[in-house]
Amino acid sequence: QSALTQPASVSGSPGQSITLSCTGTSGDVGAYDYVSWYQQHPGKAPKLMIYDVANRPSGVSNRFSGSKSAYTASLTISGLQAEDEADYYCSSYTTSKFYVFGTGTKVTVL
Amino acid sequence: QVQLQESGPGLVKPSETLSLTCTVSGASMSSYYWSWLRQPPGKGPEWIAYINNNGGTNYNPSLKSRGTISMDTSNNQFSLKLTSVTAADTAVYHCASGAGWWEHWGQGILVTVSS
Repeated sequence: QSALTQPASVSGSPGQSITLSCTGTSGDVGAYDYVSWYQQHPGKAPKLMIYDVANRPSGVSNRFSGSKSAYTASLTISGLQAEDEADYYCSSYTTSKFYVFGTGTKVTVL
Repeated sequence: QVQLQESGPGLVKPSETLSLTCTVSGASMSSYYWSWLRQPPGKGPEWIAYINNNGGTNYNPSLKSRGTISMDTSNNQFSLKLTSVTAADTAVYHCASGAGWWEHWGQGILVTVSS
């Protein structure tokens, strides 16, 4: 099972909105609404930002939102802030009954 | 709140067995599924395995049957054993709550495979 495909980097200015993509196949992203997103700052553990495509855990800012269309899931960060600069990973359940992560996107706040 | 802490050796020799333990506080072991994940240096996370509250398990097939996850509810711990390790198993190993999405994570423990 290959890793999900994410752009290596995305940048934006403070206050802007950016969208991160996560592309899979009919065997993972396209098969279930079990996509989650994680934010990771250097040297820290990943932090859950979105689960089941579009649900936010308690305590996560509503500036973060998720969606999915066909084989591509997306994470949108609205009102970009300096603290949003981090690596972001998506993950999906697969038809082979295990979980796969994406290649990761580095978000830079200009 | 739910807290997890990994423990175990930071250095394992090639061909030997990696053994890690995760101690859980702030939650009952019966309340969640429990997972191990790892992250090689400079790379993204990889899910290794989970164990559910009935002791049922599921593993990443990429491990090729080298992994065993177990649970000790009396001590609020769960563990991972990975046999026949190679340099490719060098990573930060995290324990986490959940399966499919992981809300609570341990800080991680760097395990280096080297002679």
